[in-house]
Amino acid sequence: KAGVTQTPRYLIKTRGQQVTLSCSPISGHRSVSWYQQTPGQGLQFLFEYFSETQRNKGNFPGRFSGRQFSNSRSEMNVSTLELGDSALYLCASWPGPGYGYTFGSGTRLTVV
Amino acid sequence: SQELEQSPQSLIVQEGKNLTINCTSSKTLYGLYWYKQKYGEGLIFLMMLQKGGEEKSHEKITAKLDEKKQQSSLHITASQPSHAGIYLCGADSGANSKLTFGKGITLSVRP
Repeated sequence: KAGVTQTPRYLIKTRGQQVTLSCSPISGHRSVSWYQQTPGQGLQFLFEYFSETQRNKGNFPGRFSGRQFSNSRSEMNVSTLELGDSALYLCASWPGPGYGYTFGSGTRLTVV
Repeated sequence: SQELEQSPQSLIVQEGKNLTINCTSSKTLYGLYWYKQKYGEGLIFLMMLQKGGEEKSHEKITAKLDEKKQQSSLHITASQPSHAGIYLCGADSGANSKLTFGKGITLSVRP
């Protein structure tokens, strides 16, 4: 079966711009979560969506937002980009308790 | 909040050698996940442990969960260059759907 698809793979944006990243989970998985990975902070949880509702949220500013559609695809948006937002953004698809999370290949965002 | 400490931070081993890496939690472990990552790429799911004393194996990798010590270990037998990468442990704090990760251990295997 198809894995988790994240688009685009790479992005270069300028400070102050906004960006939207997309994640298509594994068919049948209703939970999609997002993580930010940087060399200094490691992997940090951003938020999780389940059946179009945000169920969990990490400690990130309001510039980071997300949503989930009825087909479980999810998008995350970062507004007013800062240099520190440069990171690998990963999304994870999850079928539920007792199972592992499947991660996508990530989107590498560079803010210049 | 839960914190995971992974040790050692990095490891270089000769091909064919066995090795063990650890992950220690600051709080009770409800679920412990091991992932492998190649630099700049996504995480590859290795194993999930949920019960104290649980041990799982896949090919040459074995993971154990010590509930009392709030610790998990990952053991690789007869390491190969294909085992090289970053090994990350992630824990479910009981909130479900949210994982806290350790900083990762970079493993290099010399041919």
